[in-house]
Amino acid sequence: GIQVEQSPPDLILQEGANSTLRCNFSDSVNNLQWFHQNPWGQLINLFYIPSGTKQNGRLSATTVATERYSLLYISSSQTTDSGVYFCAVRFSGGYNKLIFGAGTRLAVHP
Amino acid sequence: DSGVTQTPKHLITATGQRVTLRCSPRSGDLSVYWYQQSLDQGLQFLIQYYNGEERAKGNILERFSAQQFPDLHSELNLSSLELGDSALYFCASSVGTSGEPYEQYFGPGTRLTVT
Repeated sequence: GIQVEQSPPDLILQEGANSTLRCNFSDSVNNLQWFHQNPWGQLINLFYIPSGTKQNGRLSATTVATERYSLLYISSSQTTDSGVYFCAVRFSGGYNKLIFGAGTRLAVHP
Repeated sequence: DSGVTQTPKHLITATGQRVTLRCSPRSGDLSVYWYQQSLDQGLQFLIQYYNGEERAKGNILERFSAQQFPDLHSELNLSSLELGDSALYFCASSVGTSGEPYEQYFGPGTRLTVT
């Protein structure tokens, strides 16, 4: 069936470290979004990136649609980066609904 | 702030009861989506409305229903509540037609606790 897999499931970093989060998906997509869920439960849009590369401050993302994966890079991590990072996709030809991965739980320690 | 508003923020109710969650989309957005986030199921799509009409249905229970009103706000009605319905309910909105893969913006969520 249709799957969205994120890795690693958990990540612990020291402040200032860099990290790469991965999202693999099982079929072609026409929408891919990365979200950060903060400790208060809010889902914050990070990137809308069905293909290509985007950067926003210390965060950047790359989606290689032909190889069915996306990467989220966090550089110089800060304690406020802690939370859960979700990848969500809309599969081509499907309804306009997002299918979420299980998330990567990130803890950044000072 | 995404521009999507949801009320109430928290709701505590008893089993068997009925509740209504409310969502106002971003200005100009015609599509509204409802998602449920529970500990065992993760984040799951429930239902989508576009300009007042239902467009897509996901894993929504028959006890749940939704509608979108002429002013584009939406309500999710949950009835005969069970303990397992305790979850964070998100509303999202996007601009454009229902067939296009536009970016979705999420509201702050309503945390429902069923006791």
